[in-house]
Amino acid sequence: QMQLQESGPGLVEPSETLSLTCSVSGDSISGSVYFWAWIRQPPGEGLEWIGSVHYTGATYDNPSLKSRVTLSVDTTKSQFSLKLSSVTAADTAVYYCAKSSGNEFDYWGQGTLVTVSS
Amino acid sequence: QAVLTQPSSLSASPGASASLTCTLRSGINVGAYRIFWYQQRPGSPPQFLLKYISDSDTQRGSGVPSRFSGSKDASANAGILVISGLQSEDEADYHCVIWHNSGWVFGGGTRLTVL
Repeated sequence: QMQLQESGPGLVEPSETLSLTCSVSGDSISGSVYFWAWIRQPPGEGLEWIGSVHYTGATYDNPSLKSRVTLSVDTTKSQFSLKLSSVTAADTAVYYCAKSSGNEFDYWGQGTLVTVSS
Repeated sequence: QAVLTQPSSLSASPGASASLTCTLRSGINVGAYRIFWYQQRPGSPPQFLLKYISDSDTQRGSGVPSRFSGSKDASANAGILVISGLQSEDEADYHCVIWHNSGWVFGGGTRLTVL
């Protein structure tokens, strides 16, 4: 059974870079049809897709985030990562990592709350 | 105007059926899209429920009971999640998603209350 687990700081200062890592277990991160995604949910609000990355390094990201997003995969550690630069209070959210096989997000992490505040 | 619009809340009685709508923005034809639905219980991550493009092209997630089904209303340009035989455990947030313009787009979610 695949498992995903987010990790990273729970508090980030405004204008800094938010960095999160998702550790994957139970299956290979290098599956050819797998895409690894980040999705966030501000408190009391809906979900927002941030972006998806393939183990080859190919990425898709949400244009609304205006190129603040960097996605990467480390196959040796079975991890993928998110960096979100120039954060503001509007980036405060629960951040989820998830797996898709090109379609639905069928496995999710439990989520991690990141608060942007000084 | 948002790409996907969902009512913020819906209430229904145990044993009844509930229809949750996901309306696509004008100019985006629901007939061309596979609609994905997710259920999110409080304090938990979303779980995949089903995907629907047509009655002959639909799939539920692992372990999802058959009382969850999908449909479309072309006249309303909307995808619909139908939950029959409502149970208390169905009380949750429901999110619709489509792949649009090379990205995943979520609706705002509907909170379903079973009372």
